[in-house]
Amino acid sequence: EAGVAQSPRYKIIEKRQSVAFWCNPISGHATLYWYQQILGQGPKLLIQFQNNGVVDDSQLPKDRFSAERLKGVDSTLKIQPAKLEDSAVYLCASSLDRLWGALLYEQYFGPGTRLTVT
Amino acid sequence: AQTVTQSQPEMSVQEAETVTLSCTYDTSESDYYLFWYKQPPSRQMILVIRQEAYKQQNATENRFSVNFQKAAKSFSLKISDSQLGDAAMYFCAYRSDQGAQKLVFGQGTRLTINP
Repeated sequence: EAGVAQSPRYKIIEKRQSVAFWCNPISGHATLYWYQQILGQGPKLLIQFQNNGVVDDSQLPKDRFSAERLKGVDSTLKIQPAKLEDSAVYLCASSLDRLWGALLYEQYFGPGTRLTVT
Repeated sequence: AQTVTQSQPEMSVQEAETVTLSCTYDTSESDYYLFWYKQPPSRQMILVIRQEAYKQQNATENRFSVNFQKAAKSFSLKISDSQLGDAAMYFCAYRSDQGAQKLVFGQGTRLTINP
């Protein structure tokens, strides 16, 4: 099966500009996650969707970051305006969560988008 | 809030030898899941192994095994017969059995395999 797709793979912008990242999860996966991974650190969850509803966005800087998953499939993460500290890799992941009543645990990650803010 | 700590920023091992990566976590919950993820230089995160906290038996996946000490809140990863392809960043992660069930990651350990 096809994996989690993300685009673009790389993006360089100047501070105060806007940028958007796109993610297409594995077909049939209800849950979608956006993570921010700053160089030298582990990924940090920004937002989690269950279908098209937000489950957790407690660590999303809402004054500049926004995300949507309108039809419960692909998702877009936007930063407006960008700051230098937003330079990071943005990872998208998806999970099936349940199959035949059994809880599933595995999150499948995409290749990420490396953002550089100058 | 749960936290995950990996105290070894870098580790190296000779090819074919065994290496152990350490992880400790802090939680007040009794039911949860622990994971080790591998992130090669291409940056696609891959699940290596998982452990359910209610299981006493340590998980094993081929050359990868864990030492899960629930009382000590310790979850180490042992890689046996290390191969060049094992070189990567390794992240320990915690997932609660409650609420949104998000993954909380440690800072990572960079593993180098010496030929």
